[in-house]
Amino acid sequence: QKEVEQNSGPLSVPEGAIASLNCTYSDRGSQSFFWYRQYSGKSPELIMFIYSNGDKEDGRFTAQLNKASQYVSLLIRDSQPSDSATYLCAGYTGRRALTFGSGTRLQVQP
Amino acid sequence: NAGVTQTPKFQVLKTGQSMTLQCAQDMNHNSMYWYRQDPGMGLRLIYYSASEGTTDKGEVPNGYNVSRLNKREFSLRLESAAPSQTSVYFCASSEPPREQYFGPGTRLTVT
Repeated sequence: QKEVEQNSGPLSVPEGAIASLNCTYSDRGSQSFFWYRQYSGKSPELIMFIYSNGDKEDGRFTAQLNKASQYVSLLIRDSQPSDSATYLCAGYTGRRALTFGSGTRLQVQP
Repeated sequence: NAGVTQTPKFQVLKTGQSMTLQCAQDMNHNSMYWYRQDPGMGLRLIYYSASEGTTDKGEVPNGYNVSRLNKREFSLRLESAAPSQTSVYFCASSEPPREQYFGPGTRLTVT
C-alpha cells in the first residue's frame, strides 16, 4: 500500500463548477499535508497546506483534513481552464521529507 | 532571491557515463531533497539531507550518490548512468514540517 494515494484521473469538470480532489494516507502519525499544482513540464508549486482537522479556505481553494478517516481533500470553486493541471497531495510520513501521491489530472472544459 | 536553482536544465548521457546534478538554495533551509518524477509515478524521493553534514536514503536510492556540500548546496551524482534513470529530477528545500520549495528540474535522458 502506498503511503499517500490519489486517483490518477483525469477528472473533468465544466468551467465554473466545483472540482473535488481526494487523497488518503496510511501513516496515522502524519501531521501536515500539502496540495501542489503542477503544469506540464513545470515544477510543483504550493497551493494549500493544512495542519489541523477541519477546513481551511484560501480564495477559490478549500483544503479539508480528517485525521480520523485519514483523508485530505481539495475543493476548487468556480473552476477555470487555467486550473487544468496535475494536483499532487503530499504529507510528512515518518521521514523528514514529503511523500507524494501520484497526482490527479484535472481538466476544466470551457 | 532565486529560491532553489538547479543545473543543468537538460542533459543527454550514454549508458555508463557519469554526471553530477547541482542544486542550491538561498532560503537558509536546513533540509534539502532530491526527487525523480516519471510519468504516472508522482514524485519519488531519492535522497534527502535533514541538515548540513547528514544524508539519508529515500524510496529509490540505488544508482545514486549525494553530497551535502554546505548548507546551501546539495548535489546528486549518477556514477554509471542506465536507461532506467531517464527521468525528470527535482531538487527541493524546506524547514520541516513546513512546505517544500522546488527547483525548475533537470530533464535527463540516458540512451
